[in-house]
Order: sequence, then C-alpha cells, then structure tokens
Amino acid sequence: QLQLQESGPGLVKPSETLSLTCTVSGGSISSSSYYWGWIRQPPGKGLEWIGSIYYSGSTYYNPSLKSRVTISVDTSKNQFSLKLSSVTAADTAVYYCARQVDGALRPWGQGTLVTVSS
Amino acid sequence: NFMLTQPHSVSESPGKTVTISCTRSSGSIASNYVQWYQQRPGSSPTTVIYEDNQRPSGVPDRFSGSIDSSSNSASLTISGLKTEDEADYYCQSYDSSNLVVFGGGTKLTVL
Repeated sequence: QLQLQESGPGLVKPSETLSLTCTVSGGSISSSSYYWGWIRQPPGKGLEWIGSIYYSGSTYYNPSLKSRVTISVDTSKNQFSLKLSSVTAADTAVYYCARQVDGALRPWGQGTLVTVSS
Repeated sequence: NFMLTQPHSVSESPGKTVTISCTRSSGSIASNYVQWYQQRPGSSPTTVIYEDNQRPSGVPDRFSGSIDSSSNSASLTISGLKTEDEADYYCQSYDSSNLVVFGGGTKLTVL
C-alpha cells in the first residue's frame, strides 16, 4: 500500500526558505504513470495546489507561487522535496504531499504544519 | 485559468440525500476529470470520487459523482446520509497545462 510522509522544520522565520521532503513507501517514485504533488492548507481555510513533479524532473507550478517555489525529486531515495523562498506569515499552513494520477491526487500524506514566525 | 465554485455550506438530516455542486468558470467541465475529496476535522483529505464518477475501493456506493455540461458543473451526491459523512468536501480538476485547481470547499453538516 502506497504511503507518503512529509518531514521538515515546523517553524521557519520570515524571509527564510521553507524546506520539506516527502518520502514515498510501498511503491516507486520512478513509475511512469504518476506525478507527485504538494498542496497546502492555511489554518481554517481551503486547499491550495503548490506544484507537481514527474520522476524525470519535469515540473508544473501554481502561477501565484511560481516565483518562490522549487520542487525536486531524488529517485535514489524515493523522495521529492519542496522549497518555498521568502516566506511570510501568509505561508503558515499544513503542507501535504500526494501522488497525482490523471489529475487526481491520491493518496495524500498526513500533512505537516509549518508556522512562519520570528 | 479557471475557477471552481462550491457552496460554502450545506446541511441535511440523517438518512436523506444531499448534492454538492461545483461550477467551472470557463472552459468545459467535461474537458478534464473532476475529483472530490472528503476532509474530516484534523485529518488529511481522502478521495471519494475520481475521474468524474469513479469510486475508490472502500468508498461506499452512497457516494456518487456526475457532470452536467449544460450547467458546466460537477456534482457529488451522498445518499442515506450518516453522521460520519459530516466533513468538508472539495472538488478538484486541472487544465490543459496540468495546473491543478481546487474548489473552495463545502462544509456538510448532518443534523
């Protein structure tokens, strides 16, 4: 059964870079059928797609975040990662990773809360 | 890009049927698959419908999805409502550039 697990610092200072990793188990990140995505949810608000990556490294980003986002993949570790630069309090959210197949995001990781505060 | 618009909240009694709509602002709703996610408080989203009307294994057949080209919308219908169905529901689709779009979410209250 495929599982995804987010990891990374729970607290980031304003203007710094948020870095998270998603570890995939129970399946290969190198499968040609799937993309791998990041989604976030500010406290009490809705879901926002951040971007997705293919195992080859091809990426798609939300235009509203594109200038600050980098998603990368490490097939040797079966992981993909998110970097979000110049963070502000508005970037405080639960960050999820998920497998993306034919546009559908499933399954999702359990999510990790990242707070931006000095 | 397009937007997906959902009602902010809906409520219905146990045993009844409720339908949640998701309207696409531009482009055809039939152009790209629509998914529906259920999110209970404190939990991550889970898929209840994918590819417009497909149920993942383990999702009861009380959940069904459809699209209507005339209203350019998708719908999630839950029949035989149970208190455990109380949750937030999000529709989601994507465009020709593989950009993913979520609806704003609908809070379902079963009372």
